[in-house]
Amino acid sequence: AQSVTQLDSQVPVFEEAPVELRCNYSSSVSVYLFWYVQYPNQGLQLLLKYLSGSTLVKGINGFEAEFNKSQTSFHLRKPSVHISDTAEYFCAVSDTFAGNQFYFGTGTSLTVIP
Amino acid sequence: GAGVSQSPSNKVTEKGKDVELRCDPISGHTALYWYRQSLGQGLEFLIYFQGNSAPDKSGLPSDRFSAERTGGSVSTLTIQRTQQEDSAVYLCASSFEVNAYNEQFFGPGTRLTVL
Repeated sequence: AQSVTQLDSQVPVFEEAPVELRCNYSSSVSVYLFWYVQYPNQGLQLLLKYLSGSTLVKGINGFEAEFNKSQTSFHLRKPSVHISDTAEYFCAVSDTFAGNQFYFGTGTSLTVIP
Repeated sequence: GAGVSQSPSNKVTEKGKDVELRCDPISGHTALYWYRQSLGQGLEFLIYFQGNSAPDKSGLPSDRFSAERTGGSVSTLTIQRTQQEDSAVYLCASSFEVNAYNEQFFGPGTRLTVL
């Protein structure tokens, strides 16, 4: 089974500063990678996903992530955060050959400080 | 169009009682997933449906948990003889079909509290 590690449970950052949320996964097999965001009192929604091709993936709201196969990482970045980015962020992985199950990390709570 | 809806949004029950949680997926989505989100934990996969069938029930935590889906649409997750450790947010998601690359659309969740 896969496992997904989000090392930082809480990340405070000042408004307009850059941020990186880290995600590492365990599997050496071919995977698809996702970042989801959960705003307060809302359901999870997809930020971006990596399926194949370019390792730098751009998503909504100015976020991007880079797939690094050798380091089994998929870190999420934004060059300048906004107050509205305050939310819980979840990294998820699925095996390309077994598409029925998705493995989620424990989440990173991003708090943007004015 | 309407997103994934779940009911109730909150449920408080006494230990030992049975509860039913409902999920209404996006129309036309054949895949439906149930997850459990406990405090400080990630999303724990419980079960998925392809149409009305659930090929893999191994993610269900115990035999007190069961789920069904009828008409390829609404799904119910039933927890019998609830225990305090069942307290969590139960999330439902749907996608166009079961595969590894489709986006999942999540409902707002049902917060279950077992006293």
